[in-house]
Amino acid sequence: EDKVVQSPLSLVVHEGDTVTLNCSYEVTNFRSLLWYKQEKKAPTFLFMLTSSGIEKKSGRLSSILDKKELFSILNITATQTGDSAIYLCAVVSSSNTGKLIFGQGTTLQVKP
Amino acid sequence: ETGVTQTPRHLVMGMTNKKSLKCEQHLGHNAMYWYKQSAKKPLELMFVYSLEERVENNSVPSRFSPECPNSSHLFLHLHTLQPEDSALYLCASSLGSSYNSPLHFGNGTRLTVT
Repeated sequence: EDKVVQSPLSLVVHEGDTVTLNCSYEVTNFRSLLWYKQEKKAPTFLFMLTSSGIEKKSGRLSSILDKKELFSILNITATQTGDSAIYLCAVVSSSNTGKLIFGQGTTLQVKP
Repeated sequence: ETGVTQTPRHLVMGMTNKKSLKCEQHLGHNAMYWYKQSAKKPLELMFVYSLEERVENNSVPSRFSPECPNSSHLFLHLHTLQPEDSALYLCASSLGSSYNSPLHFGNGTRLTVT
């Protein structure tokens, strides 16, 4: 059965800290891995990763995929209180009509 | 504004009621999705519509009935729900397959079944 596991499930840090969120997966016919940020309601898209070893970056956020070891990390540097959210990892598998398989999410709280 | 609009934002209904959730996307996408988000559980895919045709029905109970009259609108009709159906129901859309097109989510409808 395809599955996506995120760790840690929750994390509390102070402003300015750097955090690393983990996502490991077991799927057949992997196509891509996506990261989303969910604050109050709608998850908003952060990154889509399809190739190993190529870092994607957006401001203080960056992410990389390792298709050999079947995981991805999401890094946030110099965290701010506005980074507090649930971070969702999802994997697309071509054996599942392209549906996204989500992990449980990591709840990040950044304290001032 | 996310480009995907869901109404209502909140809904409280009894187990014998019939109600509908509405989703509208203004992004020119051609695939639409319903997801269920329960506390401490991963998002669960319920239905996928591609070009107004249902392509995925993820073993969802028949008390949930989707309808996609055109590529911009998606409904979820609800009847005789159970308390465990209380959750955040998220609509999403994408341009083409989710293989290479990220999903854009609406703000969701928070459903409480009493």
